[in-house]
Amino acid sequence: GAGVSQSPSNKVTEKGKDVELRCDPISGHTALYWYRQSLGQGLEFLIYFQGNSAPDKSGLPSDRFSAERTGGSVSTLTIQRTQQEDSAVYLCASSPGLAAYNEQFFGPGTRLTVL
Amino acid sequence: DQQVKQNSPSLSVQEGRISILNCDYTNSMFDYFLWYKKYPAEGPTFLISISSIKDKNEDGRFTVFLNKSAKHLSLHIVPSQPGDSAVYFCAASEDGGSYIPTFGRGTSLIVHP
Repeated sequence: GAGVSQSPSNKVTEKGKDVELRCDPISGHTALYWYRQSLGQGLEFLIYFQGNSAPDKSGLPSDRFSAERTGGSVSTLTIQRTQQEDSAVYLCASSPGLAAYNEQFFGPGTRLTVL
Repeated sequence: DQQVKQNSPSLSVQEGRISILNCDYTNSMFDYFLWYKKYPAEGPTFLISISSIKDKNEDGRFTVFLNKSAKHLSLHIVPSQPGDSAVYFCAASEDGGSYIPTFGRGTSLIVHP
């Protein structure tokens, strides 16, 4: 079956512009996570959604970052007024649930470059 | 403060030999550990996991060992193959806790033919 997909695969933008990154999770997966990976760093948690519950936004680095998940499926991560330090690979993952033993299925990522 | 540490950023191994990737953690509440493998331009994929009630889990060429008292786990790959060349991430989580896995920075494994 189809895995997690993300679009665009690459995004180059100018400082100060807004960007939207899209994630299509695996059908039926209730949990959806967003991470970012900066050069030489591990995966930094940003936000997760679980079913219809309020998202856990504890990892969002600033109020310029926001995300939504429509209909319990597709999710969009929005970065407003982008800064050069936002340059990273943004990864989306979905999971059948929130239990620790549930492996996460990752998309290929969106590489964001802010000039 | 990094709660999950992979202190070796890279590891080079000859094909057919054993690869040992290490991971240390500081949070004693972590009770589930997963290893992911990442090829360039792809997302990480799940490899193997272990619960804190076990000290070893084996799946084919891959074995994960957990030493709870030392807060240390290791991934053994035997025999190593060139296709194993990738970045390996260790992740830890607390079941019933925040549901947010904590990832290490990864170890880049290169297996030479």
